[in-house]
Amino acid sequence: DSGVTQTPKHLITATGQRVTLRCSPRSGDLSVYWYQQSLDQGLQFLIQYYNGEERAKGNILERFSAQQFPDLHSELNLSSLELGDSALYFCASSDFGRPKTGELFFGEGSRLTVL
Amino acid sequence: AQSVTQLDSQVPVFEEAPVELRCNYSSSVSVYLFWYVQYPNQGLQLLLKYLSGSTLVESINGFEAEFNKSQTSFHLRKPSVHISDTAEYFCAVKQGRYQKVTFGTGTKLQVIP
Repeated sequence: DSGVTQTPKHLITATGQRVTLRCSPRSGDLSVYWYQQSLDQGLQFLIQYYNGEERAKGNILERFSAQQFPDLHSELNLSSLELGDSALYFCASSDFGRPKTGELFFGEGSRLTVL
Repeated sequence: AQSVTQLDSQVPVFEEAPVELRCNYSSSVSVYLFWYVQYPNQGLQLLLKYLSGSTLVESINGFEAEFNKSQTSFHLRKPSVHISDTAEYFCAVKQGRYQKVTFGTGTKLQVIP
């Protein structure tokens, strides 16, 4: 158990819909990362937050948005869904304030299927 | 911009044979280097990491990786693989003020009985 919790584990929805994926980081971790993993694109970095502020942006579509709340949990919002958005979405957290450890702790992912 | 290259998308190897999974990175500044492993239907978990100090790092299950600054490589090796090592392996680079992490495309290791 990594200590990172993601909900829901599985989600099936239709094209054009909007979904919200939730992530609770490890206790004490201030930094949250979101990744998308699909068969054709591999593991793609979407966005990173640190203590509520956006720190880095990757290949995140304009239809997608995220935020980190004061209690440090994060949400990834996916809207106007397309078939190609079907993927496994991972959240990871890191002890940004203690670089000697440095590793990311991953949740088990949210599998999104768009029909 | 940093990037990570894993040239081999799939590596089949017989059980008890040695294996090397290659990873090269590009970066103009100092980096932290990681190998993560993803077993089927699971999230990624850390296998080993290089932060500083000795360039050879080891994991608890027999894998090792060597940081080679001149060749900008961090190849993963194991002298004798087991069936249970079948998984996908990701190399990652972490750098910068905000510690952005970039992953390679992954290498699927298939251990053949």
